[in-house]
Parts: sequence; structure tokens; C-alpha cells
Amino acid sequence: AQSVTQPDIHITVSEGASLELRCNYSYGATPYLFWYVQSPGQGLQLLLKYFSGDTLVQGIKGFEAEFKRSQSSFNLRKPSVHWSDAAEYFCAVGPNNAGNMLTFGGGTRLMVKP
Amino acid sequence: DAGVIQSPRHEVTEMGQEVTLRCKPISGHNSLFWYRQTMMRGLELLIYFNNNVPIDDSGMPEDRFSAKMPNASFSTLKIQPSEPRDSAVYFCASRRLAGGNEQFFGPGTRLTVL
Repeated sequence: AQSVTQPDIHITVSEGASLELRCNYSYGATPYLFWYVQSPGQGLQLLLKYFSGDTLVQGIKGFEAEFKRSQSSFNLRKPSVHWSDAAEYFCAVGPNNAGNMLTFGGGTRLMVKP
Repeated sequence: DAGVIQSPRHEVTEMGQEVTLRCKPISGHNSLFWYRQTMMRGLELLIYFNNNVPIDDSGMPEDRFSAKMPNASFSTLKIQPSEPRDSAVYFCASRRLAGGNEQFFGPGTRLTVL
């Protein structure tokens, strides 16, 4: 069975500081990996995805994530956080064949200090 | 392009009443998901459809919940009778089966059962 762990429930960073949100997954084959962001009162928006190829993927809003097979991780990074990045972030994993569901992590709530 | 459309955006009802939530997926998408999000339980998958056929409804809490997808452009989630513990934000998401498992979320319906 597939599973996703986001070890940090809450993270607070100062505006302008770098950010790394952790995501570890359990899956028996090569997965599809996703990061979504949810701003207050909004639905989930896709930030980036990994299907295959280059293990460092770029997303919207200046985010990137690196797939590390040996560590079963897909951590999200941003070099300089903006106050508007305050939101909840979800990592998700799914099989590499469409038709099946995604498994979401519990989310990490990011707060940004001025 | 219009995204996933959900209605109503907010619903307040009294215990015992029937509630119907509606979703219009993105045009051309042939897979649809219903999720529920609460502070206590996070994001839970309730049911999903591929080509209008329910594939996995194991997340539906109990018989009070039912979902239908009569055609490719419309789905409903019904709760009858509603209970206060059903209060949550309900999200609909859609995807294209040939599109690599990426889901697109609607803005959600915030349900409050008094």
C-alpha cells in the first residue's frame, strides 16, 4: 500500500529565508509525485509534479522539488520565502498509471514571519 | 478555461436535513473525486469515478452518504440525513485519465450542520 508522510505539521520561517518541506513516501514501484498548495479558504493548487526524467523539478511560484529514490523522499524547496507563501502544503503520491487514486500526506502548515 | 466548479460554496443546514453538493468537472476530464477536509482528519478521499463509473467508494463514511455521476459533466454528493459531525469542507477534483494522474481541485463547499 502507498503512503505519504509529512513529518512537520507546522513550520515558521522569516520572510526572505529559505524553505524546505519534507515528504517521505512508501510505494512499491516508480511513483508519480506531486506537491499541492492550499491557501486559506481555497482549494488545492498544483505546484509541481514528478513523473520521470530529471529528478529536480521546477514548479510555479519559484518552488522546486527533488526526487531522491534512495531516500524515498520528494522534498519541496524555495530559496527565498515571501509572505504570500503562507499556506498549507500537501505532498501526494500515486501510481504511474492513470486510473488510480492519489494518496495525500497530512499537510504542512507554513507561517511566514515579517 | 473554467476550472472545477462546485456549488454551493457555503451551506448551512440543520441536523436531519438532506444536503446535496454539486460538481462540474473540467471539460474533457473523465475522472472525478470527492474529498472531505476537516481539522481533525485532514483530507479524506470519499469516492472516485472513472468514466462516470464509481471505482472506489470505501471512503464513504456510511450509508447516509451517496454520490452519483449521471454524465461526464456533473456529479452530486448527497448526505441524508445530515449530522453535525458531517460539517467539513467538501472538495471535488477532476483529471484526464490519459493525463498522468494529475488532479485539479475545485474551490470546495463549506458545509455546516447545526
